[in-house]
Amino acid sequence: SQQGEEDPQALSIQEGENATMNCSYKTSINNLQWYRQNSGRGLVHLILIRSNEREKHSGRLRVTLDTSKKSSSLLITASRAADTASYFCATVSISGTYKYIFGTGTRLKVLA
Amino acid sequence: DSGVTQTPKHLITATGQRVTLRCSPRSGDLSVYWYQQSLDQGLQFLIQYYNGEERAKGNILERFSAQQFPDLHSELNLSSLELGDSALYFCASSAGSNSGNTIYFGEGSWLTVV
Repeated sequence: SQQGEEDPQALSIQEGENATMNCSYKTSINNLQWYRQNSGRGLVHLILIRSNEREKHSGRLRVTLDTSKKSSSLLITASRAADTASYFCATVSISGTYKYIFGTGTRLKVLA
Repeated sequence: DSGVTQTPKHLITATGQRVTLRCSPRSGDLSVYWYQQSLDQGLQFLIQYYNGEERAKGNILERFSAQQFPDLHSELNLSSLELGDSALYFCASSAGSNSGNTIYFGEGSWLTVV
């Protein structure tokens, strides 16, 4: 079963708007990572946030982590058509098995 | 380009057959991961190797097996193929085996079973 569940499953916005997607997970984690996947391509790492961090920024990306709610959010500001992709969160549990478990993904479409 | 190389890129085969997917990790990476992505199951973790040894196992079927060789490349063997095995198979690699590593994905091998 999936560890992470992204929400919403699909999101369509206009270029220039902000996009927010959420990830919820089930077990205690060591860190959480966000990845982007263009259609039919490999996943590309975006950002990693550790369990003792609450917020992290990278360019137009802002990630938050709330371990008490077992959730994370990814905000993409001033979105561009090139941001159209699927976005996945991946978690690594603290159980030490080193399995990176991916959520179901959010399909983002940015309209020009 | 992530530096992870997968071959073949596309493969069409018949039910009951066996195929081997190959992965070369990024230079210097010791860990290799295999994932299966299908429309109805999302991205499923199959197995991880670190420096030639199996490190973690996920939802890998008994019909599937993998190994990592001394030169660190890895192969995923899929046998007695079924229609439901049609999917995109990803290999990924990371420098180490601990949870703080970023994993880098190849472009995947598209397997179609007919």
